[in-house]
Amino acid sequence: DTAVSQTPKYLVTQMGNDKSIKCEQNLGHDTMYWYKQDSKKFLKIMFSYNNKELIINETVPNRFSPKSPDKAHLNLHINSLELGDSAVYFCASSQWAAKGTEAFFGQGTRLTVV
Amino acid sequence: GQQLNQSPQSMFIQEGEDVSMNCTSSSIFNTWLWYKQDPGEGPVLLIALYKAGELTSNGRLTAQFGITRKDSFLNISASIPSDVGIYFCAGRKTSYDKVIFGPGTSLSVIP
Repeated sequence: DTAVSQTPKYLVTQMGNDKSIKCEQNLGHDTMYWYKQDSKKFLKIMFSYNNKELIINETVPNRFSPKSPDKAHLNLHINSLELGDSAVYFCASSQWAAKGTEAFFGQGTRLTVV
Repeated sequence: GQQLNQSPQSMFIQEGEDVSMNCTSSSIFNTWLWYKQDPGEGPVLLIALYKAGELTSNGRLTAQFGITRKDSFLNISASIPSDVGIYFCAGRKTSYDKVIFGPGTSLSVIP
């Protein structure tokens, strides 16, 4: 069983389109995250939800909108895609403020905007 | 914003050699983490450190939480080809803060 699963794994789309990436975790964690990894491999947190509530919201364009229907799911919707949005997006989950349960990452979604 | 520095940026070593890398911060952290990322995969947690001076091992990997609480070190002994990947340090100031990642150390192992 995959602990944190993201779909799709690859996404190629044209500028201006709207797309969504889905994430599900079966670890029973109460917190989920979206990270962006750029072409230089730098990992930067975008959002975090704890028990379906937004707790971390970094400086991200408002074209990016996360949605958490329940503790086990965190989706990322991106409007009006731009070339600079091309990156690998990682979903992760953890148990908030609990030692020994650090972020567990999914396999990533490679988004290419053409 | 808060940044972590990792060195070296990249390493090319012979199989069997030992590896050392470190991570520094301008702020005090209460948690240090070391992750490894294989090509095409997500980062995987190797070692978590929660106490200044703590030394923790995971197989051939050993990591230390620096006494100043502003740095951490990772050592890999007797490297093998599957050690290839990017090693990220990450830190957190308090249990309720976000985790910040360093820029990574890329490790290549020559058989």
